Formats: sequence, C-alpha cells, structure tokens
Amino acid sequence: GQNIDQPTEMTATEGAIVQINCTYQTSGFNGLFWYQQHAGEAPTFLSYNVLDGLEEKGRFSSFLSRSKGYSYLLLKELQMKDSASYLCAGSFSGGYNKLIFGAGTRLAVHP
Amino acid sequence: DGGITQSPKYLFRKEGQNVTLSCEQNLNHDAMYWYRQDPGQGLRLIYYSQIVNDFQKGDIAEGYSVSREKKESFPLTVTSAQKNPTAFYLCASSIGTGANEQFFGPGTRLTVL
Repeated sequence: GQNIDQPTEMTATEGAIVQINCTYQTSGFNGLFWYQQHAGEAPTFLSYNVLDGLEEKGRFSSFLSRSKGYSYLLLKELQMKDSASYLCAGSFSGGYNKLIFGAGTRLAVHP
Repeated sequence: DGGITQSPKYLFRKEGQNVTLSCEQNLNHDAMYWYRQDPGQGLRLIYYSQIVNDFQKGDIAEGYSVSREKKESFPLTVTSAQKNPTAFYLCASSIGTGANEQFFGPGTRLTVL
C-alpha cells in the first residue's frame, strides 16, 4: 500500500523558518495535500500540489517533486499560533481518488 | 455560512452500547467520509460515500456502519463489535471523490468506558 512518512515532532523559534518534509510512494500518485490541525480541532486545508515545483501562499509554501516522491511545507516568519500538527496527505488512484494521510508533524513554536 | 457540522463534540458510552455520530453538511457536496484519528497515527478511512444511497468500506470498516439517505447527512454508528472504539472521529466532505479538497467537521471525541 501507499505510505506517507513525515517527522513526528519539530520545534522552532518565533520568527524563524521551518521546513516539514513528507515522502510517499509514487505508484498511483495524483497529488499532495497539506493540512493544519490544532489540537482537538478539524484539519484545515493549506495547499494542494499536482505539478513539480514550489507554490507560495503568504507565509506558507509547498513544494513537490513527483519523481522523487517528496514534498515539503515551508513556514516563514513563524508565529506562536503556528504551533499545530501538519498533516501530509497523498491522493492516489484506485477505485476512487483516496487520500492517504501521514501521522502528522507536531510543530512547537517557542518565543 | 456553508460548512460541515458534527455533534456532539464529546460523547461517553458504556462498553457494549451502540452509538451514532452525526455529520451534516450544507456545502452541496456529493462525497462524504468518516475518518478515525488516534494518537501517533494518521487519519484512517472508515467509510466513504460518493453519492446518496451509496457507500463503500474504507480501510477500517469493521465494527462500524453508515447510511446515506440524504445528500446532507452521513451518520456513523459505532457498534459493540468495534474492539477499540475510543478515538477522535472526523467527518469530511468534498465536491467529488476526485483529487478534491476535503472539508472537515470539528470532530467528535468518543470515549467508551
């Protein structure tokens, strides 16, 4: 089956930049989602990458390399409110386009 | 405001009891999903529905049942056959089951005592 791997935890300092990596198996791959989830709340959509390259959206950017099975989420000018879990999810073909979620990366931003 | 709602936020049940979790959306989405989230694990798909009156098992359907009698509603029943039902349950919807963004409800935290 398809596995989505991402680091379990990361820490960073307010105002800094952090990169959260995600790797996946390329078989049947369609695209890559990133969601943000604060503790006990619903995941909220951040980005969707289909093509190779970097897509920037304000302080958040997401990168995809289809051939390498690799994506990252880049968070700039970190704020305390960015402390959350970041979920990487791959869309794969097969019956319907199912999403496979990684376990999430818990980011702690410190002053 | 369009959105997806789940109720209740917290639910407690005794072991051996069936319990039904509510999920309603007014986004006019065809597809709806139920996920389970456990600490240290990714969201795991329980059931999904691509259209009214149709639903399919996900990866961990055993011990769960669903219905999709209306486009807006996709309730999940956790039966006594589910061996470890205590978890955070998330409902989601999307325009279709293509590579479309899924919108999530606020979740229901079920604790079985």
